[in-house]
Amino acid sequence: QSALTQPASVSGSPGQSITISCTGSSSDVGGYNYVSWYQQHPGKAPKLMIHEVTNRPSGVSNRFSGSKSGNAASLTISGLQAEDEADYYCSSYTSSGTQVFGTGTKVTVL
Amino acid sequence: EVQLVQSEAEVKKPGESLKISCKGSGYSFTSYWIGWVRQMPGRGLEWMGIIYPGDSDTRYSPSFQGQVTISADKSIRTAYLQWSSLKASDTAMYYCVMGAAGPYYFDYWGQGTLVTVSS
Repeated sequence: QSALTQPASVSGSPGQSITISCTGSSSDVGGYNYVSWYQQHPGKAPKLMIHEVTNRPSGVSNRFSGSKSGNAASLTISGLQAEDEADYYCSSYTSSGTQVFGTGTKVTVL
Repeated sequence: EVQLVQSEAEVKKPGESLKISCKGSGYSFTSYWIGWVRQMPGRGLEWMGIIYPGDSDTRYSPSFQGQVTISADKSIRTAYLQWSSLKASDTAMYYCVMGAAGPYYFDYWGQGTLVTVSS
């Protein structure tokens, strides 16, 4: 069960949109609509941002959106703000009844 | 309000045993999956395993199967993560997590328990 693949870093200027990719296999991302995304600021516990590919929990800004195509999922942050600077992790349910996280992406706001 | 309150930080020596805890409140403890996520210093998140306190159904990541034991005591609404013989490589932050919609993702996270293993 290998970690899902994410780019190590993504950056953008305030107001821009950025997209983080998350690539897995047919046994995880491609097989289920249970992709989720988490945001983690330094020294803090992660926070759920997106669940079931596209759903935002209550209180999460609509600047965050998710999508999936085949074995790859994406998180898009539009109208980038300084507070969005953090680490982001994808996760997927797997055919083993477990979950697997992505390798993590550091988002930098220039 | 859902809360997951974890036990305090631990400093242990290699070879020692350890059991850390996570007390859930504000929800039906026996009806939702609760589990553990590891984060080694400066590294990413790793899914360790989960348990359904209602029937003790437990699932482990292959990476952690046989290395740790996850359990729950529903009478005191507490989940546990334990090691029989710690290694220096077990040094990490451990987060307690809960999935309100099933074993698919984690809505709620505890504050984390830092485990340091050093001789």
